[in-house]
Amino acid sequence: TQLLEQSPQFLSIQEGENLTVYCNSSSVFSSLQWYRQEPGEGPVLLVTVVTGGEVKKLKRLTFQFGDARKDSSLHITAAQPGDTGLYLCAGVTGTASKLTFGTGTRLQVTL
Amino acid sequence: DAGVIQSPRHEVTEMGQEVTLRCKPISGHNSLFWYRQTMMRGLELLIYFNNNVPIDDSGMPEDRFSAKMPNASFSTLKIQPSEPRDSAVYFCASKRGGYGYTFGSGTRLTVV
Repeated sequence: TQLLEQSPQFLSIQEGENLTVYCNSSSVFSSLQWYRQEPGEGPVLLVTVVTGGEVKKLKRLTFQFGDARKDSSLHITAAQPGDTGLYLCAGVTGTASKLTFGTGTRLQVTL
Repeated sequence: DAGVIQSPRHEVTEMGQEVTLRCKPISGHNSLFWYRQTMMRGLELLIYFNNNVPIDDSGMPEDRFSAKMPNASFSTLKIQPSEPRDSAVYFCASKRGGYGYTFGSGTRLTVV
């Protein structure tokens, strides 16, 4: 069984602070995705990283894929209340791009 | 594009009853996935289809669970008989090639 551990599990910060979420596994993935899920909705894809060492930026969000393609990080600069939600990493394997989801990081950003 | 459509949004049923969850994937998407989400176990893959054919059902908890995809625009997940431990949010997702899944809004199932 492929396990993806995320840390921290919960994070409560104030608007304007920076934060980093980590996603770690002992397995190698062909690519890794990050999703954000809001209450009552399904996860929404934020980014896919494919190459070891790859860095992608999405406005204030920076995603990095580890060199060995076993881990990833999500850094948010100057967090805003709209960033509140459940952040999920997901490792991609197989020809059907089967996803294995991480344990999740619940982020709350307050004014 | 209406996205992935799931019905019902909420289902409350008594233990022992049959429950059927429905999913309409995005038109043109050829892969469909059923996930279950709970606080304790997070998001777990139950089964996925490629071109309407079940490819991997190793995540289906037990024989009480079954899934079908009779055509490219419809899939069902059935639980018979239902048990309280089946209470969870069930998500359907679809994709076409590439990597990105599109998830539906989920069905919140409560078995009492």
